[in-house]
Amino acid sequence: GAVVSQHPSRVICKSGTSVKIECRSLDFQATTMFWYRQFPKQSLMLMATSNEGSKATYEQGVEKDKFLINHASLTLSTLTVTSAHPEDSSFYICSAPHLNYGYTFGSGTRLTVV
Amino acid sequence: DAKTTQPPSMDCAEGRAANLPCNHSTISGNEYVYWYRQIHSQGPQYIIHGLKNNETNEMASLIITEDRKSSTLILPHATLRDTAVYYCIVRGHAGGTSYGKLTFGQGTILTVHP
Repeated sequence: GAVVSQHPSRVICKSGTSVKIECRSLDFQATTMFWYRQFPKQSLMLMATSNEGSKATYEQGVEKDKFLINHASLTLSTLTVTSAHPEDSSFYICSAPHLNYGYTFGSGTRLTVV
Repeated sequence: DAKTTQPPSMDCAEGRAANLPCNHSTISGNEYVYWYRQIHSQGPQYIIHGLKNNETNEMASLIITEDRKSSTLILPHATLRDTAVYYCIVRGHAGGTSYGKLTFGQGTILTVHP
């Protein structure tokens, strides 16, 4: 089936540093990538939508200068959490639409900011 | 997006069928019903989707009522590894032009016990 490879799966960083999360579509072209954040015991919340070749669209309340999204090619989208703080600690998940599976998801990245 | 309503939690005995209901009374004619599940600390996994006919695959069956206002996901022989949060989502098909973003509700926490 369609696979979205997400890396890293787990990262711990110091407060004030930046962290980059990558999502690659392995066997299909992802012109669109959705980025979600999930806090403990809560559902997934959409942060932003990236489109190859254009600027990302951010959901209300999500700071675009803090969460930088780049959709460099049809198979790669990245989310960079800039100047991370402990409240940014969360589970980040990417997702791409797929013809056969509706939407296919990455395995998630557990970010811990200390 | 059409809103969905699911029970917050359900229990099921191992080996028995798990029937997870979902109400989507505002579904429109071109919207599909998708089911995903999320096992703890992983990205959501596609299970099945359908438009109006009942569907079956190697994982589950999807029963959609004739008026399409509700559906039931059936796991025919639940195992302990089926313990997860199950999400019912209504959306335009990913292969079309109106798939847009996926919005997650709270889902149903299914607990399969020995």
